[in-house]
Amino acid sequence: DAGITQSPRHKVTETGTPVTLRCHQTENHRYMYWYRQDPGHGLRLIHYSYGVKDTDKGEVSDGYSVSRSKTEDFLLTLESATSSQTSVYFCAIRDSYQETQYFGPGTRLLVL
Amino acid sequence: SQQGEEDPQALSIQEGENATMNCSYKTSINNLQWYRQNSGRGLVHLILIRSNEREKHSGRLRVTLDTSKKSSSLLITASRAADTASYFCATDGTGGFKTIFGAGTRLFVKA
Repeated sequence: DAGITQSPRHKVTETGTPVTLRCHQTENHRYMYWYRQDPGHGLRLIHYSYGVKDTDKGEVSDGYSVSRSKTEDFLLTLESATSSQTSVYFCAIRDSYQETQYFGPGTRLLVL
Repeated sequence: SQQGEEDPQALSIQEGENATMNCSYKTSINNLQWYRQNSGRGLVHLILIRSNEREKHSGRLRVTLDTSKKSSSLLITASRAADTASYFCATDGTGGFKTIFGAGTRLFVKA
């Protein structure tokens, strides 16, 4: 998986609780992405980062925040989880010179 | 809204047959990429075609790009049961590093 890990891999939580997902890379790539995958929607971009402390919104960013305090870690936080945020979350990395992305194994999140 | 739209949504073929999947997109692009996802796994990059290219080959994969029609096709020749997966097209806009994925085509290859 190109030196990219996600934690936790599975999580069950209750509506209204905060949740933080972690993406860790060992490749020192500049760009990092968070996507969610739902049936019939493919992958939808939540947030992305183009450097330490440099982040921007994707197409489905409402209810999510991110932080990147060091190159290797990109955190996705659901401030107050809702059932509509039940999904599989994928992190991806990309370097400055290649257009291809490398994906982590995903995190399955169930919000009850 | 999704930049890429794949067609068909699902495809079932016999081993040895060719599989063709299509992708349409809406805005100008720098490149178009195809990814594969096996069930329960992350996406894996297959092939990239740039906006100034018309056709590209990689092993049993052939990708075409028609920028005038804003469409691409992925052909997998002599398919195998191991090709069973979901296939996604993805586009990089002219703005650079923001990649948008389509909803995918589920391919099932029967042995």
